[in-house]
Amino acid sequence: SQQGEEDPQALSIQEGENATMNCSYKTSINNLQWYRQNSGRGLVHLILIRSNEREKHSGRLRVTLDTSKKSSSLLITASRAADTASYFCATVNAGNMLTFGGGTRLMVKP
Amino acid sequence: DVKVTQSSRYLVKRTGEKVFLECVQDMDHENMFWYRQDPGLGLRLIYFSYDVKMKEKGDIPEGYSVSREKKERFSLILESASTNQTSMYLCASRSTGAYYEQYFGPGTRLTVT
Repeated sequence: SQQGEEDPQALSIQEGENATMNCSYKTSINNLQWYRQNSGRGLVHLILIRSNEREKHSGRLRVTLDTSKKSSSLLITASRAADTASYFCATVNAGNMLTFGGGTRLMVKP
Repeated sequence: DVKVTQSSRYLVKRTGEKVFLECVQDMDHENMFWYRQDPGLGLRLIYFSYDVKMKEKGDIPEGYSVSREKKERFSLILESASTNQTSMYLCASRSTGAYYEQYFGPGTRLTVT
């Protein structure tokens, strides 16, 4: 069953703009992970944020976590056409299982 | 370079056929997973295994079975394929513990006619 819900479901921006995707979840978590999926391929891990962290950076990616609101956001700065993909959040609970959200489809137009 | 491989990228089978999807990982991970992915439904967990010969049902196990005879290999079996099993199937593996990422294979797009 899905724990995370991404918002928006689809996003279309121009190259160079920033893209923000949000994830909300229902139960307490140990950590939250973001994954990327190129069309017709498997998912690739992008970044992990622990429940005691509020913000994390990796290159052009910035992830925030608000455990009081049970939400996270993924910001991709200065987007490129190659960032076109689907992005999924996944929560890890006390049982150490990942539960994936429905994903956000990002299109970056050149 | 860590790797999860799946036996086929594309597969076309007839209704009623027995279908085997194979997955192999080279990272010595204890845990392996099978998901199916359909438009609008996200990733749904079919089965997972946390050790050789061990298996646990996921959210949608009906119509599927699995086999894990060796640590590196996890097979998904469709005993009698049906058209509603047409989907993208993703295999994944992961170490035990909370702070590990999951590694995915490239996926198998199965069409049942």
